[in-house]
Amino acid sequence: QSALTQPASMSGSPGQSITISCTGTSSDVGVYNYVSWYQHHPGKAPKLMIYDVSNRPSGVSNRFSGSKSGNTASLTISGLQAEDEADYYCSSYTTSSTLVFGGGTKLTV
Amino acid sequence: QVQLQESGPGVVKPSETLSLTCTVSGGSISSSSYYWGWIRQPPGKGLEWIGHIYYSGNTYYNPSLKSRVTISVDTSKNQFSLTLSSVTAADTAVYYCARHNLVDYYFDSWGQGTLVTVSS
Repeated sequence: QSALTQPASMSGSPGQSITISCTGTSSDVGVYNYVSWYQHHPGKAPKLMIYDVSNRPSGVSNRFSGSKSGNTASLTISGLQAEDEADYYCSSYTTSSTLVFGGGTKLTV
Repeated sequence: QVQLQESGPGVVKPSETLSLTCTVSGGSISSSSYYWGWIRQPPGKGLEWIGHIYYSGNTYYNPSLKSRVTISVDTSKNQFSLTLSSVTAADTAVYYCARHNLVDYYFDSWGQGTLVTVSS
C-alpha cells in the first residue's frame, strides 16, 4: 500500500491560517470517512487532533478543523500560534482492512 | 486515563529478531472497544503503521511487513507485544505502541516511543 500524499513542508505567520492536504485513492480516503490527523512534536508521542474527517477530540482547540472532498482530506489550522509548529500526519482506513499514514508535513510558524 | 509504555532492547543485531512489549495501565486491554497497535518512525521519515491486535487475538498487519511481523497479546499481564524477524538497518526506528478505536480507526492514546537501532 502506498502512503497518502502530503506536502513535505508548509509555513505560515502567527495569526494566519493554513491548510494541509492529504491525497489518497478510491481505496482509502475516497471511500471511507475514517480519516484522522495527528500532531507530532519531535521526541514526544503523536497527538490525535481530528478523527472521522472532521471531529475534534475533547481538549483540542477549535482552531483545528478537518474536511474531505473526493480522495483528498484537509486539515486547516486557523490563527496560527508558535506552539502549532510540528509535524502533521494524516491517516486513513483502507479497503484492505489496513491503515495507511501520509508522509507527513513539517509546519513552520 | 489509559497509559502505554514500550519496553525492549535498544539495539538488535542484523538478521536477528526485534521484540518489544507494550504495557497498558489505567485501562483493560480486554476492552471490546479497542485494538492495540504498533507504529514506527525511521529517522528522518514519516510514520508507518505496522499492525494491530484485538484482545481475542485477531490481528491485522501492514502487507509490506506481514511476512516478518507477529503481534500477540497477554491479557493476564495487560500487555501486547511485537516481534519483527530478520531485521536490517532499514528497521531502525522509533517504535510506538498505541490504542486504536475499534469503530472509527484512529489512535487516541500513544506511548512515548522507544528507539530501536539495528547494528552489529
